[in-house]
Amino acid sequence: EAGVAQSPRYKIIEKRQSVAFWCNPISGHATLYWYQQILGQGPKLLIQFQNNGVVDDSQLPKDRFSAERLKGVDSTLKIQPAKLEDSAVYLCASSVSGNSPLHFGNGTRLTVT
Amino acid sequence: GQQVMQIPQYQHVQEGEDFTTYCNSSTTLSNIQWYKQRPGGHPVFLIQLVKSGEVKKQKRLTFQFGEAKKNSSLHITATQTTDVGTYFCAGPRGGNTGKLIFGQGTTLQVKP
Repeated sequence: EAGVAQSPRYKIIEKRQSVAFWCNPISGHATLYWYQQILGQGPKLLIQFQNNGVVDDSQLPKDRFSAERLKGVDSTLKIQPAKLEDSAVYLCASSVSGNSPLHFGNGTRLTVT
Repeated sequence: GQQVMQIPQYQHVQEGEDFTTYCNSSTTLSNIQWYKQRPGGHPVFLIQLVKSGEVKKQKRLTFQFGEAKKNSSLHITATQTTDVGTYFCAGPRGGNTGKLIFGQGTTLQVKP
């Protein structure tokens, strides 16, 4: 089966600019997650979708981050405006259901200068 | 809030030596999952433990879930250079509805 697809692979922006990441989960996976992984740390959950509804966004900095999952398939994560501390790898993952193992994409490495 | 802690943070071993990483949760977990992340890669699912006291093996890897379902361990026998990477445990926050909380990981280096 095809894995979780993410783009872009790398992104460099200046602080206060905006950026968007795209994710296409494994076909048939109802649950989609966005994680932020700062170098040397474990992934931190930003938002979880079940189909096209938000299950948990308690850790999402909503003043600058937004995410949507239209039609319950693809998802985009946006940061506007970016800060230096947003430099991290943004991982998208999907699972069959909310308690199933996660399948991660290759991630987008964001550098904010 | 709920925390998942792992020790040690780093471990350097000689090839052929054994390796163990420990995972502790501040709350009882319905299940625990283990992932491996190679340098420059993304986390890859290894295993899920659900039952109290459960032990599962995958070749040289042995996974345990504590009786109180608050701790877990991963033991690798006779490490190989292919075992290099960071091992994460993860447990669901707030019940059994996903929302996986990851530990900070244990990074394993293996000297050939």
